[in-house]
Amino acid sequence: AQRVTQPEKLLSVFKGAPVELKCNYSYSGSPELFWYVQYSRQRLQLLLRHISRESIKGFTADLNKGETSFHLKKPFAQEEDSAMYYCALGGYSTLTFGKGTMLLVSP
Amino acid sequence: GAVVSQHPSRVICKSGTSVKIECRSLDFQATTMFWYRQFPKQSLMLMATSNEGSKATYEQGVEKDKFLINHASLTLSTLTVTSAHPEDSSFYICSATGANVLTFGAGSRLTVL
Repeated sequence: AQRVTQPEKLLSVFKGAPVELKCNYSYSGSPELFWYVQYSRQRLQLLLRHISRESIKGFTADLNKGETSFHLKKPFAQEEDSAMYYCALGGYSTLTFGKGTMLLVSP
Repeated sequence: GAVVSQHPSRVICKSGTSVKIECRSLDFQATTMFWYRQFPKQSLMLMATSNEGSKATYEQGVEKDKFLINHASLTLSTLTVTSAHPEDSSFYICSATGANVLTFGAGSRLTVL
């Protein structure tokens, strides 16, 4: 069975501080991993996917198969980064979400 | 591009009534649509997968007679909560795939009194 664990419900940082949102997964095959973000009163939207190896809004995430992790990182947090972040595993038809981490960036 | 419209955004109904939620892909053809349910402070849980023109595939533990899903066209899927009860109160979200894009609707908050 596939499982996604986001150990932190809430992460509070000051503007300019580095951010790391943790995500660990359990999956027997070759995983596809995603980060979704939900800003206040907006719909859930894709932030980035591991196969793209891209940086979106300054965020990056590296898949570490040895540690089964896909942590989301940003070197300098901005206030507009405050949102709910969900790590997700799988393809379109088998997408499993973590419980989410609320990121709060204070001025 | 790739916009999914979900309606209504909020609905309040009496116990025992049925409620229909619509999910439309506005600018693409959605071969597959998904329905999720989100309980407070919990993650999204997949309820069912629907492919246009065929019966929906329900996840274990989801009552198909309770949550009727219809995917009659490539741009519309509906979720009907039949004989709703207070425990059905939740946030329901649809998503749709088409052209390698997975897009989410804004969700529907159902409150059953």
